[in-house]
Amino acid sequence: EVQLVESGGDVVRPGGSLRLSCAASGFTFDDYGMSWVRQAPGKGLEWVSDINWNGGRTNYEDSVKGRFTISRDNAWNSLYLQMNGLRAEDTAFYYCARRADFGGVYSFDYWGQGTLVTVSS
Amino acid sequence: DIQMTQSPSSLSASVGDRVTITCRASQSIRNHLNWYQQKPGKAPNLLIYAASSLQSGVPSRFNGNGSGTDFTLTISSLQPEDFATYYCHQSYLTQYTFGQGTKLEIK
Repeated sequence: EVQLVESGGDVVRPGGSLRLSCAASGFTFDDYGMSWVRQAPGKGLEWVSDINWNGGRTNYEDSVKGRFTISRDNAWNSLYLQMNGLRAEDTAFYYCARRADFGGVYSFDYWGQGTLVTVSS
Repeated sequence: DIQMTQSPSSLSASVGDRVTITCRASQSIRNHLNWYQQKPGKAPNLLIYAASSLQSGVPSRFNGNGSGTDFTLTISSLQPEDFATYYCHQSYLTQYTFGQGTKLEIK
């Protein structure tokens, strides 16, 4: 059974840092790209960042470029999101999601349960 | 970035109704369009990938259609468990974007 379990969410002051983790199990982790998607309370979904199977290619949503860093450790079946310079508008549930490749079309076929990041003074 | 616009933003319907949600992309995304269902307090769940392919385990009453810029998600006969929020998602460009969501409520 595919499982993705996020951790690391917390309350942090503006300008602070946080590192999120996502532990993957039930599939061959290094066969898949992975993404982080966030959702502010009561709002819609927003893609944050993406990483390919070996970490050699990463992409970021414009508002987090230069502040967030996505990484992975295939030996530990883990995905990470280092978040620096946090702002109030970064407050959200952060989901890790497995990126499936359906004949060249990517979709997010499994999601974690989410971890809440609150940026507040 | 590619903008995804869903309509309507909310929809009231009854069990057994047929409903259609529309998603429009700001430029052609070919068939790189996915649909998700999200229930309160839960993570999203993939329903349709590549515009029209049904994800494994998803009931056949869900149907996706479209290509280019215009897409639809149709639920043929609403069941009580279908009342949720639905999102479209383009994966044509790596700056992935979601529609704003359509909340489907019980009439």
